[in-house]
Amino acid sequence: AQRVTQPEKLLSVFKGAPVELKCNYSYSGSPELFWYVQYSRQRLQLLLRHISRESIKGFTADLNKGETSFHLKKPFAQEEDSAMYYCAFLSGNTPLVFGKGTRLSVIA
Amino acid sequence: DTGVSQDPRHKITKRGQNVTFRCDPISEHNRLYWYRQTLGQGPEFLTYFQNEAQLEKSRLLSDRFSAERPKGSFSTLEIQRTEQGDSAMYLCASSSRTPNTGELFFGEGSRLTVL
Repeated sequence: AQRVTQPEKLLSVFKGAPVELKCNYSYSGSPELFWYVQYSRQRLQLLLRHISRESIKGFTADLNKGETSFHLKKPFAQEEDSAMYYCAFLSGNTPLVFGKGTRLSVIA
Repeated sequence: DTGVSQDPRHKITKRGQNVTFRCDPISEHNRLYWYRQTLGQGPEFLTYFQNEAQLEKSRLLSDRFSAERPKGSFSTLEIQRTEQGDSAMYLCASSSRTPNTGELFFGEGSRLTVL
């Protein structure tokens, strides 16, 4: 079965420090992977998708098929990055499968 | 269009009662999804519609759950004979038809508390 694993429930970093939110998936084919974010009192929204290879709000994520990972990175964390981050997986026409999420707390 | 809207935002009910949630998707989106989220978990897929057709249901969707999208616009999710384990946030999301881009637009959710 398709599975997305986010090993950290909580990640605390100081403002200006680098951030890496881990995501691993289990799937033998070619998946599409996404990061969704939920800021406090806001709805869940798409942050970025691997096929776009874009940087959003300073965040990037690279799909590593060898390690079956899709870690989210940002070189310098900001306080406004504090949020819940969910890695999500898609294959074909199946609905999105979400990981359990990681809460990022950026400390001033 | 203010995005996906859900109603009610909060519902407290006694065990054994029936509850119904409504979701109004973004108007041009013809795919509509229901997810459930409990504390410490990510959203878990329940079911989805393309227009009025219910195309997939998760095994999480027991016989007490029923979802409809009669005219391909708004959708309702009904839970009959609620149990305490049904307490959760019920999320609705919509997306455009094809391709399946994986970009879902979520509502704010309907939080259910079963006493």
